[in-house]
Amino acid sequence: DTAVSQTPKYLVTQMGNDKSIKCEQNLGHDTMYWYKQDSKKFLKIMFSYNNKELIINETVPNRFSPKSPDKAHLNLHINSLELGDSAVYFCASSQRSSGRAKAYEQYFGPGTRLTVT
Amino acid sequence: KQEVTQIPAALSVPEGENLVLNCSFTDSAIYNLQWFRQDPGKGLTSLLLIQSSQREQTSGRLNASLDKSSGRSTLYIAASQPGDSATYLCAVGGSARQLTFGSGTQLTVLP
Repeated sequence: DTAVSQTPKYLVTQMGNDKSIKCEQNLGHDTMYWYKQDSKKFLKIMFSYNNKELIINETVPNRFSPKSPDKAHLNLHINSLELGDSAVYFCASSQRSSGRAKAYEQYFGPGTRLTVT
Repeated sequence: KQEVTQIPAALSVPEGENLVLNCSFTDSAIYNLQWFRQDPGKGLTSLLLIQSSQREQTSGRLNASLDKSSGRSTLYIAASQPGDSATYLCAVGGSARQLTFGSGTQLTVLP
């Protein structure tokens, strides 16, 4: 049973297109995140949602728009894709009240490799 | 702004050796610290989570320590095996619970 799943796993598209990446978690967590891993393998937070409310929006272009229809889903929509958007995008989730020792332990999805040509 | 540094960037050891991976962070006001493992082309697997009030956590052959005041954490791997070969990432949890990652240590354990 996959805890955090993402679709698609691979996405190849042309510059200027609009695409979406979906994320679902079945852990009952209340907080979800999007991270970007660039070509140098560096991971950086993009967005964080708690109970469907946006908590963190790091300096991400407004072409990126997260949408959380419910606590179990956090989708990422990207408009007007650019070459520099090519990266691996990871979704993650955590729960505040998992017991003190495990509070806010983040669980990651398998990633979506986006290639913009 | 939190910055996380991991040293060394790459490490190659013979099987059976004990080893230490280092992580340092600039802002000691952290909520927690999490160590991950990433295999090539794969996602992140959580290894150990240390809350800010804790000093260490252990899981099997892994032991992670945290010294918040000096801004340091170490991941100790005992009796390394070829299957331990991966990139190890240190991530520090901030006030909004977001993680700030280091650039990782690429570990190769030679049979």
